[in-house]
Amino acid sequence: SQTIHQWPATLVQPVGSPLSLECTVEGTSNPNLYWYRQAAGRGLQLLFYSIGIDQISSEVPQNLSASRPQDRQFILSSKKLLLSDSGFYLCAWSKNANQPQHFGDGTRLSIL
Amino acid sequence: AQTVTQSQPEMSVQEAETVTLSCTYDTSESNYYLFWYKQPPSRQMILVIRQEAYKQQNATENRFSVNFQKAAKSFSLKISDSQLGDTAMYFCAFMKLNYGGSQGNLIFGKGTKLSVKP
Repeated sequence: SQTIHQWPATLVQPVGSPLSLECTVEGTSNPNLYWYRQAAGRGLQLLFYSIGIDQISSEVPQNLSASRPQDRQFILSSKKLLLSDSGFYLCAWSKNANQPQHFGDGTRLSIL
Repeated sequence: AQTVTQSQPEMSVQEAETVTLSCTYDTSESNYYLFWYKQPPSRQMILVIRQEAYKQQNATENRFSVNFQKAAKSFSLKISDSQLGDTAMYFCAFMKLNYGGSQGNLIFGKGTKLSVKP
């Protein structure tokens, strides 16, 4: 069966520091991969999606970037975090664009 | 652009009773998918049920069922025999049918916080 791993679960970072959140999927190949952000009391907002290695699309201009160095690895990064980057970040995968997305456990990011 | 609206920010239900969560959406697409996701206090996002727009039959998964009204663009979730473990945020989501190498972009509502009381 397929599983998705996301880490760390919780992260506290100072303003201006770099960020790297990692997500990996097991049990499938060539998945579609997604990064979402959930602000407090709100729904999810799609940040990035990827349909293949080194194929990244951004939905919202921001301080963040994403990379997919391997088929089942998706990384969310920032060179300098802002206070507004605080939130709950969720990684998800799907077999293709018409299949349900399955989510990781999320990362709670707090910026001080 | 598609939008998803959940008009009930919070709801509560007694254990073992039935509750219905509302969702409406706006789209010009004719082929699409609708989902309900559950997010318990642990924050994991869990798929509850999905509906293909081309199917007239309402989807059912154990105690969870939907009332899909395509013409009205309504997609409500009914939870029967509510259990304490059903306490969570429930998100309605829309995804249009995708062709070729496109992504599946989920559009989420803002959620309904459901509390099941003993």
